[in-house]
Amino acid sequence: DAGVIQSPRHEVTEMGQEVTLRCKPISGHNSLFWYRQTMMRGLELLIYFNNNVPIDDSGMPEDRFSAKMPNASFSTLKIQPSEPRDSAVYFCASVRGTEAFFGQGTRLTVV
Amino acid sequence: SQQGEEDPQALSIQEGENATMNCSYKTSINNLQWYRQNSGRGLVHLILIRSNEREKHSGRLRVTLDTSKKSSSLLITASRAADTASYFCATDEGRKLIWGLGTSLAVNP
Repeated sequence: DAGVIQSPRHEVTEMGQEVTLRCKPISGHNSLFWYRQTMMRGLELLIYFNNNVPIDDSGMPEDRFSAKMPNASFSTLKIQPSEPRDSAVYFCASVRGTEAFFGQGTRLTVV
Repeated sequence: SQQGEEDPQALSIQEGENATMNCSYKTSINNLQWYRQNSGRGLVHLILIRSNEREKHSGRLRVTLDTSKKSSSLLITASRAADTASYFCATDEGRKLIWGLGTSLAVNP
């Protein structure tokens, strides 16, 4: 198994542009989580899905952020429009039981 | 929201020494997990301890849990340079994991 796959690994974009982050969870894992990590705030849960259904999106910072999981093997996190304060590393994790398996993350820089 | 709080925030030791990190949490838990994050990488699961367990071992790792004090410790024995990483504790809240800010461990050769 290749593990959780995220793309792109790095993204540099200009303020105001739309950014789409992608995640392919591990097959058979029925929960998927999106996190944002910064030095100041640590690891923040943005949203999580169970069986492709969004369960808790209370961590999504504002309406500029949206996430979808159209099927069990793919999820996207979209930021539109992006702002410099969105710069962070975004992680996707799929969960089997209680154990989380993280992707390598997408380092987003908004200039 | 952050429930777990690790301390120290940063720890620097020599290779061969033991490293101890602590985690405190606020609410009742079913289990507590420790993860490691190497620089620029995702988090990797190390060990899980259930609320009815007091101590657990895995290789050079030893985890203790004191539910009365709402705290856990992670001990890495005979540390190696490759143990240099950030270590996070995570507690369960329903299906969610609640994360601390981590302890940054540097093991000097």
